[in-house]
Amino acid sequence: QSALTQPASVSGSPGQSITISCSGTSSDIGSYDLVSWYQQHPGKAPKLIIYDVSKRPSGVSYRFSGSKSGNTASLTISGLQAEDEADYYCCSYAHTTPVIFGGGTKVTVL
Amino acid sequence: EVQLVESGGGLVQPGGSLRLSCATSGFPLNTYWMHWVRQVPGKGLVWVSRINREGTTTTYADSVKGRFTISRDNAKNTVHLQMNSLRVEDTAVYFCVRVVSGWNDVIRAFDNWGQGTMVTVSS
Repeated sequence: QSALTQPASVSGSPGQSITISCSGTSSDIGSYDLVSWYQQHPGKAPKLIIYDVSKRPSGVSYRFSGSKSGNTASLTISGLQAEDEADYYCCSYAHTTPVIFGGGTKVTVL
Repeated sequence: EVQLVESGGGLVQPGGSLRLSCATSGFPLNTYWMHWVRQVPGKGLVWVSRINREGTTTTYADSVKGRFTISRDNAKNTVHLQMNSLRVEDTAVYFCVRVVSGWNDVIRAFDNWGQGTMVTVSS
């Protein structure tokens, strides 16, 4: 099964909002509300920032929000800050795989 | 505080073996499925393997099936990944990951990650 499709890069200025898309199929994103998102700074382990499509773990900024429509999930970062510059990965439960990741999106704060 | 600490990575020749270990603390290991996820430096995350709470059910990515074996020792709070017949394409950072499960043990999220251990397969 191929990776979920994410844009390679997204950029924005401080204070702006950006959205990262994550495109899958009816076998993964389209069938389950089990999409999660991870933030990874260089040389660090990934950190969970969204799970169950739109839930935030304790301690994660309200500026991060998630949504889903059909076979596509999205992560929105509002009020972009310098510390948000990182790689972001989406992930979906897929039953047979049993999980599939996106290829990753590099977020640059201009 | 939840902690996952991997060890055992290193340089190995193609065809060789390595055994990765993940020492866990701060939570009852026997109540969580555990996974290994790998990442080629500069590339994306790839799921490798998982093991259920009791250690009786294991699953592997097609790319490692028949070569890797995941195991756990709940009494010692450790998870292992035995890697045999290693290939150049197995070169990656390997992360030990705790999973939050949902109904019927579906994967809701990977909520805690170790710092990773680097495996380099090269002659």
